[in-house]
Amino acid sequence: ILNVEQSPQSLHVQEGDSTNFTCSFPSSNFYALHWYRWETAKSPEALFVMTLNGDEKKKGRISATLNTKEGYSYLYIKGSQPEDSATYLCAFGTDSSYKLIFGSGTRLLVRP
Amino acid sequence: DGGITQSPKYLFRKEGQNVTLSCEQNLNHDAMYWYRQDPGQGLRLIYYSQIVNDFQKGDIAEGYSVSREKKESFPLTVTSAQKNPTAFYLCASSKRTSGTNTDTQYFGPGTRLTVL
Repeated sequence: ILNVEQSPQSLHVQEGDSTNFTCSFPSSNFYALHWYRWETAKSPEALFVMTLNGDEKKKGRISATLNTKEGYSYLYIKGSQPEDSATYLCAFGTDSSYKLIFGSGTRLLVRP
Repeated sequence: DGGITQSPKYLFRKEGQNVTLSCEQNLNHDAMYWYRQDPGQGLRLIYYSQIVNDFQKGDIAEGYSVSREKKESFPLTVTSAQKNPTAFYLCASSKRTSGTNTDTQYFGPGTRLTVL
């Protein structure tokens, strides 16, 4: 059974702090790694899709890296703002299926 | 505005009753998905459809059924055979440009089902 782990489960930071969290996934049969942001009372929205080892993606203050050989991805938020408060989900896709396997998410709360 | 709609937002049903959750998209996406979320768990795939008139079971299909008669619509029926139906249900769609899982999934707002 393929499993995706995210850590930490939750994180409280002060406005202006930089933070990062981890997504761990099986290193075999890797095809794609997705990051989504899910704000309360809204739909999850896509942040990044990464496919190549060493990929780095950036969107404003948020960036992500990918290591497919060791099976992890990091999401970084520079200078956190209260509007960054959300649950961040990662999802792993293999080369043998159309399915994505989601982690349980990291819940980020940024205090003003 | 293009997007995915799910209705209703909240649904209450008595135990033993079947219930159908609606999912409609106007994004012209070929692929559609149903997920279930329980507290402390990741999204788990119930069913998915890559094309009209075709669908496949996901990881937790038991007690659920779907249909895909139109490209825009992918309703999910929670049957009385589903032992623990109370959960949050999310519908998603994607373009299926490459036929693999690099396609971004676009999610609806979800339906919270409570079985009394």
